[in-house]
Amino acid sequence: GEDVEQSLFLSVREGDSSVINCTYTDSSSTYLYWYKQEPGAGLQLLTYIFSNMDMKQDQRLTVLLNKKDKHLSLRIADTQTGDSAIYFCAESIYNFNKFYFGSGTKLNVKP
Amino acid sequence: EPEVTQTPSHQVTQMGQEVILRCVPISNHLYFYWYRQILGQKVEFLVSFYNNEISEKSEIFDDQFSVERPDGSNFTLKIRSTKLEDSAMYFCASSGRDGDLRSSYEQYFGPGTRLTVT
Repeated sequence: GEDVEQSLFLSVREGDSSVINCTYTDSSSTYLYWYKQEPGAGLQLLTYIFSNMDMKQDQRLTVLLNKKDKHLSLRIADTQTGDSAIYFCAESIYNFNKFYFGSGTKLNVKP
Repeated sequence: EPEVTQTPSHQVTQMGQEVILRCVPISNHLYFYWYRQILGQKVEFLVSFYNNEISEKSEIFDDQFSVERPDGSNFTLKIRSTKLEDSAMYFCASSGRDGDLRSSYEQYFGPGTRLTVT
């Protein structure tokens, strides 16, 4: 079955880059996503990448996809305290109807 | 910026009672979803809904669950007879503008309803 895995915690200093990693098992993934969840809030769509791409950049965010290793990463440049949140990786398979989520990585940004 | 809204933010109910969780998806979206997250576990897909019918559902979405779009704006999840294990955060999501296939892949989530079954 589909399995999406993430490390649970990441701690960085303000101004450093953060790299959040995700692995998935199903090679039929069509799109891979990154969502951000701040305390008490819903899941905010940050960015996503189609499975035939290997990189996507959007301002401070860079998504890298290694299809061979089934590895997805999110790099946040110049991390700010406002970036502290839980980051979820998700994939859709075959269609866009349902997403499979990882457990989330809690990013702590120290001033 | 349009957003998905959900009410209530927190619902407490007794085991065996029926609950209805309400969502207002983004107004021009065509696809609607419910997910849940049990505390400490992953966000899990429950059901997707399009053109007034269920398009896909998970094993979790058994006969005690139902969804409805009672009017042009609301999307509801009903749990007929709640169990302790239904306690979770329930997220509604929507996607897909008419004529824009790519937007179907962009699911926007509401803030969630925390359901506590006692």
